[in-house]
Order: sequence, then structure tokens, then C-alpha cells
Amino acid sequence: DAKTTQPPSMDCAEGRAANLPCNHSTISGNEYVYWYRQIHSQGPQYIIHGLKNNETNEMASLIITEDRKSSTLILPHATLRDTAVYYCIVRPIGSSNTGKLIFGQGTTLQVKP
Amino acid sequence: EAGVTQSPTHLIKTRGQQATLRCSPISGHTSVYWYQQALGLGLQFLLWYDEGEERNRGNFPPRFSGRQFPNYSSELNVNALELEDSALYLCASSLVGGMITGELFFGEGSRLTVL
Repeated sequence: DAKTTQPPSMDCAEGRAANLPCNHSTISGNEYVYWYRQIHSQGPQYIIHGLKNNETNEMASLIITEDRKSSTLILPHATLRDTAVYYCIVRPIGSSNTGKLIFGQGTTLQVKP
Repeated sequence: EAGVTQSPTHLIKTRGQQATLRCSPISGHTSVYWYQQALGLGLQFLLWYDEGEERNRGNFPPRFSGRQFPNYSSELNVNALELEDSALYLCASSLVGGMITGELFFGEGSRLTVL
């Protein structure tokens, strides 16, 4: 599975958009980009995933560059409850399914009042 | 709808003992995954069960084992406990189809402390 690189930490003001970057320059054509987050002392929570088109759901938006070598997770109106570690994960799907997600160190997002 | 449930929440053991952790997946999910989150090491994949069979295993010694029951619940057993086994053990479940798209649902974890 492709390796991802994320900044170790970021701050965001409450009510503002939080933009979390992820580099995945070695991503393959059959690999998706997934985002999970882990709020302190809780299990990770799925946020969103995408292949090459931008995606949006009720939690966030995912912007993937045209060359697919990087992506940005956007929380449009961050709240204090969005303070968490955010993980960007790249993995193949379908017949290449190994059941394994490789979690890196992630980005610790601190939302401040 | 109930989420993934794990028990016990906390468990304290001494070196050399055995620990058993339990997981009940979301109703309708047939796949169960186990992850270890030790301090400073991040989330490490342990095991994947689907339809009662072990499908994949992470880079852990054989003293980490488990099984999946006909009702799709799962147990993780850790034998001959070592101090470095102290960690949060997370269980996740998915529809097999859901796993194809990457969405895992995690429980709150069982914190194992080895003294």
C-alpha cells in the first residue's frame, strides 16, 4: 500500500474551515484515499473516501489533485468536538482487499475557541 | 442500531498470564478486525476474520490468536503476556462489501495493562 505523509499537527479556529493535507505521491491507479479520525480515547471513525473525484458527505469534503499525488480533507465549520487525530490512508480495494488499513501517525487537529 | 461492542473495557494482567478480549460486530456485519494501539506506536493491524475464517494476519507472534464464532462475534487471545503487550485493543467490523470500499466501524476498545 502507498505511503502517506501528513503534518504532525495543525490548529484551527472554531467556526473556520479546517484543511488537512496529505501527500501520497506513490499512489497506484487502483488505490483509494480514505480518511479516519480518532478522538481521544475513542475508536477511529470513518470520515470519507475517494478515488479521483472530489467527494462530499455530511462530515467533510475530500479534494484529490488531478495527478492523485495529494489530497485535502476539509471540515467546513470546525467545532471543538472536531479536535482529534486525523489519518489519511491509501489502499487498494476489491480483489486486493487484505483487510488491513495502515494507519500512520496522522495529524493532530486542535480546534481552538 | 448498536455499534461495535467490546469487553472488558479494562483488563489488568501480570506477565505470563493469558488475556481474552471479546468483540460483537454491528448486526449484519460478517467481517471483524483487530488492531493494537500501543503508546507511541500507532494503530497496528492484528487479525481479520470473515465468515469464521482467518483471512489475514499482521506482523505479530503466534501467541496472538483469535477466532470468530457463528454469530460473527470474535475473541482475541494473547498468551504468555509481556509488558509490551500493554495497549488499547480495538475491534472493528464491516460488511464484506463495506470493506471493499474501506469503511470500518470501530468499537471503543479494551485497554490491557500488563504488570
